Amino acid sequence: NAGVMQNPRHLVRRRGQEARLRCSPMKGHSHVYWYRQLPEEGLKFMVYLQKENIIDESGMPKERFSAEFPKEGPSILRIQQVVRGDSAAYFCASSPRGLLYNEQFFGPGTRLTVL
Amino acid sequence: KNEVEQSPQNLTAQEGEFITINCSYSVGISALHWLQQHPGGGIVSLFMLSSGKKKHGRLIATINIQEKHSSLHITASHPRDSAVYICAVTPSRETSGSRLTFGEGTQLTVNP
Repeated sequence: NAGVMQNPRHLVRRRGQEARLRCSPMKGHSHVYWYRQLPEEGLKFMVYLQKENIIDESGMPKERFSAEFPKEGPSILRIQQVVRGDSAAYFCASSPRGLLYNEQFFGPGTRLTVL
Repeated sequence: KNEVEQSPQNLTAQEGEFITINCSYSVGISALHWLQQHPGGGIVSLFMLSSGKKKHGRLIATINIQEKHSSLHITASHPRDSAVYICAVTPSRETSGSRLTFGEGTQLTVNP
């Protein structure tokens, strides 16, 4: 059973370009969480999704950021018109269900660098 | 003030020493997690607990719900334990899932 997979592991974009980060949850997991870790800072929650639904996006910046988790395929975190401040490590985690007391399994992260 | 506070921020130990990392939180929680982040950046879940004590190998995690405090202990520390240890909580107000609120992490360095 493969773990949570994220790709790409490293992504370099110029200011103004779009970044697409992908997350494939563990087999049997239908709940996905995205977290961001800015340089020298702690992890911060961004968004929580179930298949085809956004459950909680209270941690997402209001503009340029969007997330989806379609019925088929990976979850995608999309950042439009990237700026240098978007440079960070983006981690995805998955769990089999969204109940309380539920452990999450983390992916290896995507390190985004905006030039 | 952060909802989750860890201490110390940095910790250096000699191989073999007993290590304690502390975590205090200011909200009601349904669960507390200890995570390990290695220099390469990957994150591993070490423990999830809501009461009492859990042990896995040389790692022990305890939680005191009344005092809103948790500790992570490492016995017989080894250089390979060098990593950032992160405390995270699932606030009990969260009814939409298991979103985590994180502490800032404790950088542990174990010297040979």
